[in-house]
Amino acid sequence: EAGVVQSPRYKIIEKKQPVAFWCNPISGHNTLYWYLQNLGQGPELLIRYENEEAVDDSQLPKDRFSAERLKGVDSTLKIQPAELGDSAVYLCASSLDLTGTQYFGPGTRLTVL
Amino acid sequence: GDSVTQMEGPVTLSEEAFLTINCTYTATGYPSLFWYVQYPGEGLQLLLKATKADDKGSNKGFEATYRKETTSFHLEKGSVQVSDSAVYFCASLKAGSYQLTFGKGTKLSVIP
Repeated sequence: EAGVVQSPRYKIIEKKQPVAFWCNPISGHNTLYWYLQNLGQGPELLIRYENEEAVDDSQLPKDRFSAERLKGVDSTLKIQPAELGDSAVYLCASSLDLTGTQYFGPGTRLTVL
Repeated sequence: GDSVTQMEGPVTLSEEAFLTINCTYTATGYPSLFWYVQYPGEGLQLLLKATKADDKGSNKGFEATYRKETTSFHLEKGSVQVSDSAVYFCASLKAGSYQLTFGKGTKLSVIP
């Protein structure tokens, strides 16, 4: 069974540029999560989807971050414009349902110059 | 709120040494507990889990026992290998919730 797929794996951009990350969850997993992982820290939740609905986006900086999960499968996380402090690893995870074990993708390492 | 505390790293061990990484949690109720491993340049992989008190999770020679009385979930391995070099994260999942709470991670380096 394929795991959570993310792309790109690495992205380098200049500040004020837009950037987008893509995630394909494990087939059949209704719940999708985006996490932010700063260097030397554990992941922190940004947003959670149940199917196509964002049911918890309280930690998402909405002035520059946005996300969507059209058709309840793939998801895209966007930053516009990016700032230096956004340099981090962005992790996508999925689970069968709300309380199921979360499985993580390899992440996208973003560097903002 | 819930929190997870791990021993600070980095931890450096020789091959075949015994490993212990301490993890304690604070939570209301009885959370599920997890250890995730992150190899260099990769995302988090689930290593093992336990869902109730006295459960022992095990995988790839690693073990951890859910101790309610000490609110701990220490990770152990009897004989580490160079390939075990990675960052290990302890996490708790509140009962009935999706909210994973992670520790800060412990970096393990195993030298030949």
